[in-house]
Amino acid sequence: NAGVTQTPKFRVLKTGQSMTLLCAQDMNHEYMYWYRQDPGMGLRLIHYSVGEGTTAKGEVPDGYNVSRLKKQNFLLGLESAAPSQTSVYFCASSTGQGIYGYTFGSGTRLTVV
Amino acid sequence: DQQVKQNSPSLSVQEGRISILNCDYTNSMFDYFLWYKKYPAEGPTFLISISSIKDKNEDGRFTVFLNKSAKHLSLHIVPSQPGDSAVYFCAAWTSGSRLTFGEGTQLTVNP
Repeated sequence: NAGVTQTPKFRVLKTGQSMTLLCAQDMNHEYMYWYRQDPGMGLRLIHYSVGEGTTAKGEVPDGYNVSRLKKQNFLLGLESAAPSQTSVYFCASSTGQGIYGYTFGSGTRLTVV
Repeated sequence: DQQVKQNSPSLSVQEGRISILNCDYTNSMFDYFLWYKKYPAEGPTFLISISSIKDKNEDGRFTVFLNKSAKHLSLHIVPSQPGDSAVYFCAAWTSGSRLTFGEGTQLTVNP
């Protein structure tokens, strides 16, 4: 199925460990985004990219890094995981800036213990 | 600064009745407003949108109303069905920016 694929779907990390979340889209979208969803907080933008080789900070970028080496992939890295990063992470992509709607992946549930 | 707020964390309605989900915003520069629907263990999916120059947009059972003077929008679902049970996110967009989401409202439609 065409769309946005996130891997892994679930992960448990120990405090201080690192990991990378992978997002892949096959719709040739220029824009890609990483959000986190926390209870009572909605979806908050971590980082985004407006094209291959570009990245920019969103609303809550601290503790995360991203890379967009290929147009179809957007990677989210946690260098030293903290319990505050326990969340559900969603990747999304869009053709334009947003008025056409985003296509979201199914999410990665990350627990940091 | 929460620019988009959904003050009701949850809403429960009977099947066949109307569901009304509300959203308030503070930024008068928003150009478009969107509603997304999210089922458990899935990503949000686009439901319906409205331009800031309109006050109503209808798509089947779903209608979104925009009151710019009150900085308020609402999503009406008529008639509500059990399959509509999901979390609904309100989102807003302005040129040069990204979508800003509200906290979400859990809708439960009881058979």
